[in-house]
Amino acid sequence: GAVVSQHPSRVICKSGTSVKIECRSLDFQATTMFWYRQFPKQSLMLMATSNEGSKATYEQGVEKDKFLINHASLTLSTLTVTSAHPEDSSFYICSASSGGLGDEQYFGPGTRLTVT
Amino acid sequence: GENVEQHPSTLSVQEGDSAVIKCTYSDSASNYFPWYKQELGKGPQLIIDIRSNVGEKKDQRIAVTLNKTAKHFSLHITETQPEDSAVYFCAASKSGTASKLTFGTGTRLQVTL
Repeated sequence: GAVVSQHPSRVICKSGTSVKIECRSLDFQATTMFWYRQFPKQSLMLMATSNEGSKATYEQGVEKDKFLINHASLTLSTLTVTSAHPEDSSFYICSASSGGLGDEQYFGPGTRLTVT
Repeated sequence: GENVEQHPSTLSVQEGDSAVIKCTYSDSASNYFPWYKQELGKGPQLIIDIRSNVGEKKDQRIAVTLNKTAKHFSLHITETQPEDSAVYFCAASKSGTASKLTFGTGTRLQVTL
């Protein structure tokens, strides 16, 4: 149980284009999903928290107009990196939580974004 | 906000030996402490967690201890195996509706034959 998928696993895009990453909870309903980015040999940095049906809450320093998050259903959240630049190249990871008394977050396998 | 420190940053042990990773946290209101294992190129995998109402939890070769007074918690892996080699992250959060996790900086564990 508690499986989270991400798609795509890898993506290469040209500078200035937009990329959409999907995060799905496969066997549970995720009231809350989180988006992280991770640079090589570093820890996970939380970008934003999204709750189904409401606007995402972004961490300080994260541009909400650049990283668009949509949590349209209890099993799907999407992150769109708009007007990507090489410095946006990173490993993007989502996690999902069923909320309530369950604090557990289950992570997806990650998406490696390379902007050329 | 919460701050989590993790030590050591790298740890090398021989197969069969034990490994211990330690974390400290700053916010006394934190009450949920998960540990994640991350293999190269993959997402973190929850391996064990502990809540502040218990002092120790064990699952086969893995155990976690929590000292609320000192605000530190530790991961213990016994009888290490090569497949235990990975990066381990501790984290802390306040219980509630999917509270945000604050992660430690990670420990790269290498189990040598």
